[in-house]
Amino acid sequence: GAVVSQHPSWVICKSGTSVKIECRSLDFQATTMFWYRQFPKQSLMLMATSNEGSKATYEQGVEKDKFLINHASLTLSTLTVTSAHPEDSSFYICSAIGLAGVSYEQYFGPGTRLTVT
Amino acid sequence: GENVEQHPSTLSVQEGDSAVIKCTYSDSASNYFPWYKQELGKRPQLIIDIRSNVGEKKDQRIAVTLNKTAKHFSLHITETQPEDSAVYFCAASLSTLTFGKGTMLLVSP
Repeated sequence: GAVVSQHPSWVICKSGTSVKIECRSLDFQATTMFWYRQFPKQSLMLMATSNEGSKATYEQGVEKDKFLINHASLTLSTLTVTSAHPEDSSFYICSAIGLAGVSYEQYFGPGTRLTVT
Repeated sequence: GENVEQHPSTLSVQEGDSAVIKCTYSDSASNYFPWYKQELGKRPQLIIDIRSNVGEKKDQRIAVTLNKTAKHFSLHITETQPEDSAVYFCAASLSTLTFGKGTMLLVSP
């Protein structure tokens, strides 16, 4: 199946700093990628839909100025958490839609554990 | 928007027993229903999915059923094994995935 990678796998940063997380589709092109946030023992919550060459679509309650998304190419989307605070500490997972046989499937990256101190 | 309810939140079974997890959805337009298995700290892995034109799908020990009229779908795992222990998420989708809250399945030897 298709492979999605994320970098870094974990990051610790100080409050007030910004952190960039990369999501790459390794063996396929993805016009659409998704960013999710998952708090401990909770479900995945969709933050935004990232479309190549256009602005991301944010879910209600997600601050677009705080969570900057850039989808500059068909294989790379980045999420930048600006002015991070401890409450932003979470597991961030991206996904991309790829062709699986004759249908499309959503492939998830391995996730990035963000800890803000 | 879509709302997905998942039950139970935790499920403990003995090895060899069957496990059933149920989900309901609110948007009758949703047409794709995947199930994911997530181990601690890892990415969700698709284990089985079903589309709205099918009522049941089976893959070895795993099966999914869909009742479009009642807007609910279920995951059935037979002959459970300790390595089946994980958190399972259902999801419903028309264009984006909406996840249930997850079920922690614990299979005891």
